[in-house]
Amino acid sequence: DTGVSQDPRHKITKRGQNVTFRCDPISEHNRLYWYRQTLGQGPEFLTYFQNEAQLEKSRLLSDRFSAERPKGSFSTLEIQRTEQGDSAMYLCASSPLVDGYTFGSGTRLTVV
Amino acid sequence: KQEVTQIPAALSVPEGENLVLNCSFTDSAIYNLQWFRQDPGKGLTSLLLIQSSQREQTSGRLNASLDKSSGRSTLYIAASQPGDSATYLCAVSGNQFYFGTGTSLTVIP
Repeated sequence: DTGVSQDPRHKITKRGQNVTFRCDPISEHNRLYWYRQTLGQGPEFLTYFQNEAQLEKSRLLSDRFSAERPKGSFSTLEIQRTEQGDSAMYLCASSPLVDGYTFGSGTRLTVV
Repeated sequence: KQEVTQIPAALSVPEGENLVLNCSFTDSAIYNLQWFRQDPGKGLTSLLLIQSSQREQTSGRLNASLDKSSGRSTLYIAASQPGDSATYLCAVSGNQFYFGTGTSLTVIP
């Protein structure tokens, strides 16, 4: 296990389409986080899981966004009816219970 | 809500200089503080993690300090190199990490 993997690396989609991103965390890490980053800004928290339980969601996570971690391993983040404002880098990170984060390389979403 | 501020927003230095990046946070009740490096269009690479009980951490030419009581951390980079050019982000943790907006560093050969 060499780190956190995210797929795809890049996604271009038309406005109104649905997209799904995948994150594979470091296998022994209990916690998995999703962040969104726009140009020139620091990452903004979206949601996190401890094992399969989604423990916190940001108000940034509108009802068009849903995240799952069905077996406490990989996670998916789905955006329905994408809007141009959803264009950003979506970052996944994992960590042991209370410790530093390891980030993936991110998925860059462009909504045209 | 925790707020994290990084100063300066951008910094340009000649190769070989020592430099200091600053991070301040409003709520001292943190578990730890982590410094990251981000290259353009890429994810975040962890540089140093300081637990709340620690005062500093060192890795190679990097040294990070933490003063919880004053809500401050510094990242010291010794003998800067062009390859150090990147954006440096600090993040403090509660249940989630709160990030600053970063310092964009350019090291001029």
